[in-house]
Amino acid sequence: EAQVTQNPRYLITVTGKKLTVTCSQNMNHEYMSWYRQDPGLGLRQIYYSMNVEVTDKGDVPEGYKVSRKEKRNFPLILESPSPNQTSLYFCASSLVNQETQYFGPGTRLLVL
Amino acid sequence: QQPVQSPQAVILREGEDAVINCSSSKALYSVHWYRQKHGEAPVFLMILLKGGEQKGHDKISASFNEKKQQSSLYLTASQLSYSGTYFCGTENYGQNFVFGPGTRLSVLP
Repeated sequence: EAQVTQNPRYLITVTGKKLTVTCSQNMNHEYMSWYRQDPGLGLRQIYYSMNVEVTDKGDVPEGYKVSRKEKRNFPLILESPSPNQTSLYFCASSLVNQETQYFGPGTRLLVL
Repeated sequence: QQPVQSPQAVILREGEDAVINCSSSKALYSVHWYRQKHGEAPVFLMILLKGGEQKGHDKISASFNEKKQQSSLYLTASQLSYSGTYFCGTENYGQNFVFGPGTRLSVLP
């Protein structure tokens, strides 16, 4: 089944404790992206990747890192999480940029 | 820069029509529309490319006026299943993808 998977789905952590949210797609998509969703603000892009080893900042990249070493995986790294990073995070992929994006199920993060 | 959506929220009865608007201050290459139901991930509805084309499937259609940098989503004879939050998204000629803040649509029986 074609899908985008994210892990974990729910995460509670404390300020400053490094964490990684994994994202994987099995559709051989070139374009992958991370979004955070907050009430009233919609979905805001954190980072995106046009292809392997090619990543670029979205609108809200501060406090996040990404890597794209393989086509299928695009992990989101929070080196030192802070409470303002409490949010719902979505990973998405598309065949190429400007095409339909397929979203993962989301990861709900709470930083205490 | 985030596109603007209007209205912020709309409540309909089954069978009524609705229009959701999306506008941007930047030149647009394409406009995407997604729907998100509560507690779920956004789901793709349609993409409109520059050229003013109108697209649709079932009773949901959309238009894109690139000169005005606007797009509208038309929901005809709404069904209960149409309830959710609708997002437009814009991609500015190879730059990052930006979603609007969303329009919450509630369809009542």
